[in-house]
Parts: sequence; structure tokens; C-alpha cells
Amino acid sequence: SQQGEEDPQALSIQEGENATMNCSYKTSINNLQWYRQNSGRGLVHLILIRSNEREKHSGRLRVTLDTSKKSSSLLITASRAADTASYFCATLHASGGSYIPTFGRGTSLIVHP
Amino acid sequence: NAGVTQTPKFRVLKTGQSMTLLCAQDMNHEYMYWYRQDPGMGLRLIHYSVGEGTTAKGEVPDGYNVSRLKKQNFLLGLESAAPSQTSVYFCASRSDWDRILDSPLHFGNGTRLTVT
Repeated sequence: SQQGEEDPQALSIQEGENATMNCSYKTSINNLQWYRQNSGRGLVHLILIRSNEREKHSGRLRVTLDTSKKSSSLLITASRAADTASYFCATLHASGGSYIPTFGRGTSLIVHP
Repeated sequence: NAGVTQTPKFRVLKTGQSMTLLCAQDMNHEYMYWYRQDPGMGLRLIHYSVGEGTTAKGEVPDGYNVSRLKKQNFLLGLESAAPSQTSVYFCASRSDWDRILDSPLHFGNGTRLTVT
């Protein structure tokens, strides 16, 4: 079962607008990671936020984490057509002595030029 | 530096046929994973390995087998393919460096499998 769930499932915006997508998870976490997937390609790591952090920035990306609500958001500012992709959050799920990366269903972002 | 390489990129099988998907990584990573991605389902873990010679079941292991005879390779086998195994398969690897829980996954570009 998915540990993280992204919301919305799909998002369509104009170039220059900001895009916000949310992730909710079920159990306590050590960190939460966001990945991007371009069509027909594998996932690429974007940013990681640790459980003791509330906000993190990387270029046009801003990630927040609210452990009390078990949720995270990814904000892409001043979006570009090249940001069109699917975005996934991932958490580590403890299983059999290991930590298994578990993904949500993703948010599909379309940025219109 | 190739990263994670998956072969083949595409394959069409008939029901009952078998095949092996190969994943190779050149980053000396300990951890390797096989996921399948289906529309609306996100990524689901099939099997994983925490080191050479070790494998473990993930969320959806039925119908698949894996082997990790060499650290750099992780093979996913389908002994008797079924239409329900039509999917895109992704391999990923992860380092066991100092802050192991923070190490990101590195993905291959997937194998698109169709079972008719």
C-alpha cells in the first residue's frame, strides 16, 4: 500500500504561474523526498527534507513539511513548460530490518507555454 | 558514468513465455530495487536487495523472481508471463553512505513490457 499520497492527481497551469502539490503520508518518517518523472523516463531525485526540518529551498523549489499533519508540499515557482512532468513524494517504510522507499501515486503537472 | 542501465527497453511477450530484465549500476550501490509502474497506481515495489547475494520480497512479488549474484547487477525474472504483468518496470539503486536514510534513489529509464 502507498505510504504517501499526492494531491492533486493532475494540475494544469500557465507558464509563469506557481504550482503547488501536496503529499500526505501515514506513519512517522525520517525524511521525505520528492522526485520528478519526465514522460518515458525514470524518476529523478529533486529534494529531501528531514523530519526535523519545516522548510527547504532549492532553486525554484520550495518544500514544506508538517509532521503533525503528516503532510508535505512542493511548490514550483515561476513555472516553465519544461517543468511538465509527474511529481512523486517518497518516504522510507521500515520492513524486515530495512527501510523501503515507498512512493505515492504522483501528481501530473502540465505547464502550458 | 552510466548510472543505472536497464535492458531491454521494450519487450512484447506472449502469455506463458519467460524473460529476464537486467539492471546494472556502476555506482557501487549496496541497495537495489525493482518497481512496477501502472497508470493510476504509482510505483509498487516488487523485490529488493540490500547487498550481493541477498533478496527480499516487496509489495507485489507474486509471479516474479530476482537474483543478485553480483553487486552491480539485479535481475528480475518472469517465469510464466501473464497479461497482468503488462507494465513499465523500473530498477533503482541507493547508496549506503554515512547518512544512509538520506541517500536518494537513482533510477533507470525503465523497461516497457507488454504481455499478450
